[in-house]
Amino acid sequence: GAVVSQHPSWVICKSGTSVKIECRSLDFQATTMFWYRQFPKQSLMLMATSNEGSKATYEQGVEKDKFLINHASLTLSTLTVTSAHPEDSSFYICSARPGLAGEYEQYFGPGTRLTVT
Amino acid sequence: GDSVTQMEGPVTLSEEAFLTINCTYTATGYPSLFWYVQYPGEGLQLLLKATKADDKGSNKGFEATYRKETTSFHLEKGSVQVSDSAVYFCALKGWTGRRALTFGSGTRLQVQP
Repeated sequence: GAVVSQHPSWVICKSGTSVKIECRSLDFQATTMFWYRQFPKQSLMLMATSNEGSKATYEQGVEKDKFLINHASLTLSTLTVTSAHPEDSSFYICSARPGLAGEYEQYFGPGTRLTVT
Repeated sequence: GDSVTQMEGPVTLSEEAFLTINCTYTATGYPSLFWYVQYPGEGLQLLLKATKADDKGSNKGFEATYRKETTSFHLEKGSVQVSDSAVYFCALKGWTGRRALTFGSGTRLQVQP
């Protein structure tokens, strides 16, 4: 089946620094990738939708200047958390949608746990 | 807006017990409904889906029926195994053109031998 990887799987950074998380579709081309954020014991909350070669669409309340998303190729999207603060600590999950797939196909990465100290 | 509510866990069962995980939703129009499963250390995987009222999704012994009258999509399995231990997420895709999913908070299932 289709595989999506995320790197790193966990990261600890100091407050004020920036962190980049990569999401890769390993065996298919993804025209659309989604970034979610999950707090403990809570739902996955959609942060943004990125389409290859165009600007990401952010959900209401998500700061686009803080969470920079780049979908530069059909197999890679990156999320950069800029000037991270402890409240940004969370579990970040990406998913990828194949370009020619049926409407329901969306494959998820294993997630990246970010801890900001 | 759209929302999904599912029962809190963890749910702890003995092997071969009957499983029900409740899921209810709020959405306009005719959403599509999904159950995803996340095994330890892995990404979410689609378990089953239903796209219209009264549809029954099924896979690996799990079933869920799209009940529009009760806005529910409860997950059931007649006899659980230790290997079913995972976190289960109920989700919906709204009727409007948006392709992202709205998720419930997840329910952790622990099956003991």
